[in-house]
Amino acid sequence: NAGVTQTPKFQVLKTGQSMTLQCAQDMNHNSMYWYRQDPGMGLRLIYYSASEGTTDKGEVPNGYNVSRLNKREFSLRLESAAPSQTSVYFCASSDNPREGLYFGPGTRLLVL
Amino acid sequence: SQKIEQNSEALNIQEGKTATLTCNYTNYSPAYLQWYRQDPGRGPVFLLLIRENEKEKRKERLKVTFDTTLKQSLFHITASQPADSATYLCALSFSGGYNKLIFGAGTRLAVHP
Repeated sequence: NAGVTQTPKFQVLKTGQSMTLQCAQDMNHNSMYWYRQDPGMGLRLIYYSASEGTTDKGEVPNGYNVSRLNKREFSLRLESAAPSQTSVYFCASSDNPREGLYFGPGTRLLVL
Repeated sequence: SQKIEQNSEALNIQEGKTATLTCNYTNYSPAYLQWYRQDPGRGPVFLLLIRENEKEKRKERLKVTFDTTLKQSLFHITASQPADSATYLCALSFSGGYNKLIFGAGTRLAVHP
């Protein structure tokens, strides 16, 4: 039981490049989330998926797109990376967000 | 908009003492309040949840209180150990939105032998 896994662990991009962050969970959770974490700031919700086939914007969705590929997988895409997107990205899943989230290990992204 | 405040300064305490961390919030009252632990380079780990109609919740050496009048939650770790050193995040879940979970920036706790 791996929980929530994320790939890659680290990534360096140049401004304007695109990339996709992958996330998978093996706990059969319905809900999945993408957060970003910046120094001195709390985790901020980018997008979430309450169930397979649905996605919704969170607090900071601009510059990102998501795909809920199936119940297990939820990917985050940066179409044209900007230095302001330098951050640590966390994927999380839950059966009920009010009962706590399970987080992955994070992807550290540097955009030059 | 909602604002969550956690002490940005690190809390340094001696092993064996009780650590107390504070989470203050403004505006609307949350339906739930959660506490997470985060170690360097890792994702947050869920610890405890307390509901708006609960005053106190305990789990082993952890105790959380929730005062909706003061708009404050206190997180206590009794008999603290160096292994408790980490950053602790509070998160509030508000009614009226399935996924309205807002995180504080966290407080770093250092327990010294």
